Amino acid sequence: QKEVEQDPGPLSVPEGAIVSLNCTYSNSAFQYFMWYRQYSRKGPELLMYTYSSGNKEDGRFTAQVDKSSKYISLFIRDSQPSDSATYLCAMSRSGNTGKLIFGQGTTLQVKP
Amino acid sequence: NAGVTQTPKFRILKIGQSMTLQCTQDMNHNYMYWYRQDPGMGLKLIYYSVGAGITDKGEVPNGYNVSRSTTEDFPLRLELAAPSQTSVYFCASSYEGIAFFGQGTRLTVV
Repeated sequence: QKEVEQDPGPLSVPEGAIVSLNCTYSNSAFQYFMWYRQYSRKGPELLMYTYSSGNKEDGRFTAQVDKSSKYISLFIRDSQPSDSATYLCAMSRSGNTGKLIFGQGTTLQVKP
Repeated sequence: NAGVTQTPKFRILKIGQSMTLQCTQDMNHNYMYWYRQDPGMGLKLIYYSVGAGITDKGEVPNGYNVSRSTTEDFPLRLELAAPSQTSVYFCASSYEGIAFFGQGTRLTVV
């Protein structure tokens, strides 16, 4: 079993839809939870990060962490064609053990 | 504000050749990583380093070597290149678990 599981998709939605992207994990020691966005032929860029549990909102993006269920989500409201990309979740333990573990990534296409 | 810089951006190697992929960061991060990403796939960790002089294997280290003599630099060495090493290679550094990536090196082995 992989430490981090993420449905690769692809996920296709119409413009303006609410998008929900999810990851599950098995290691209860993870404390930092990140979402990265990767456009084609580019390096991943940090989109959101959350420490421990709870929600974090940034514009049209909301990240949620449910540590009791070992489940994290990224919601995109009013999705735009420019949101079309691959979204990767990533996690790490706290303190000095900062090794990152990535999910496989979910490819999202937002159709005009 | 350079961040993580990788060179070269593109390279074509013949089978059996060797090369070094360069990575440098200017954020004074202790953690650095090398990943490879095959088409349509996620990131696979090749090697990582927790600080100068300390390196460790990731999930796919075979055919690669690394060194970390300074905080800034983390080169990845390919010895005896094979077609299976055709991929996009990403270097990253991290602080408090948050990673910053370079723009990648696209390597083709023919």
